[in-house]
Amino acid sequence: EAQVTQNPRYLITVTGKKLTVTCSQNMNHEYMSWYRQDPGLGLRQIYYSMNVEVTDKGDVPEGYKVSRKEKRNFPLILESPSPNQTSLYFCASSPGGLGTQYFGPGTRLLVL
Amino acid sequence: KNEVEQSPQNLTAQEGEFITINCSYSVGISALHWLQQHPGGGIVSLFMLSSGKKKHGRLIATINIQEKHSSLHITASHPRDSAVYICAVETSGSRLTFGEGTQLTVNP
Repeated sequence: EAQVTQNPRYLITVTGKKLTVTCSQNMNHEYMSWYRQDPGLGLRQIYYSMNVEVTDKGDVPEGYKVSRKEKRNFPLILESPSPNQTSLYFCASSPGGLGTQYFGPGTRLLVL
Repeated sequence: KNEVEQSPQNLTAQEGEFITINCSYSVGISALHWLQQHPGGGIVSLFMLSSGKKKHGRLIATINIQEKHSSLHITASHPRDSAVYICAVETSGSRLTFGEGTQLTVNP
């Protein structure tokens, strides 16, 4: 089954404790992206990747890092989480070049 | 002003009604996406348009590139259509910019 998986689905952490949210797709898609969704602000892009070893900043990259060492994986790293990073995070992938976007199930993060 | 504006923000309809959700954008785009987000939070892609019109079941999406406007129509609406509908524009480099969404409630 074609899918995008994210782990963990729910996470409660404390300020400053490094964390990684994993994202994996099994569709051999070139394009992957991370978004955060906040009430009143909608979905906003954090980082995206056009292919292996190619990443670029989206609209709200501050406080986040990503890497794309393999085509299927695109982890989101919060080196020193802060309460303003409490949010619902989505990973997505697409074939690129005007392809349908496939979203992961979301990760709900609470930073205390 | 946001690059992507949706209207209305909230919409309540009776089962069977014809529904229209609008999306206007202010930038040059390579494609426009309509997404559906159910109360559980999952996001599903409904349509991707670069011109004209697409139909899938009771859903129809249109786009007018010259006017920078797209509409999503739902015919014979049903309570299971209740969800948030999100418009997103795709610009260079496959970047997506999203509207704030339209909360649709269809009452039986």
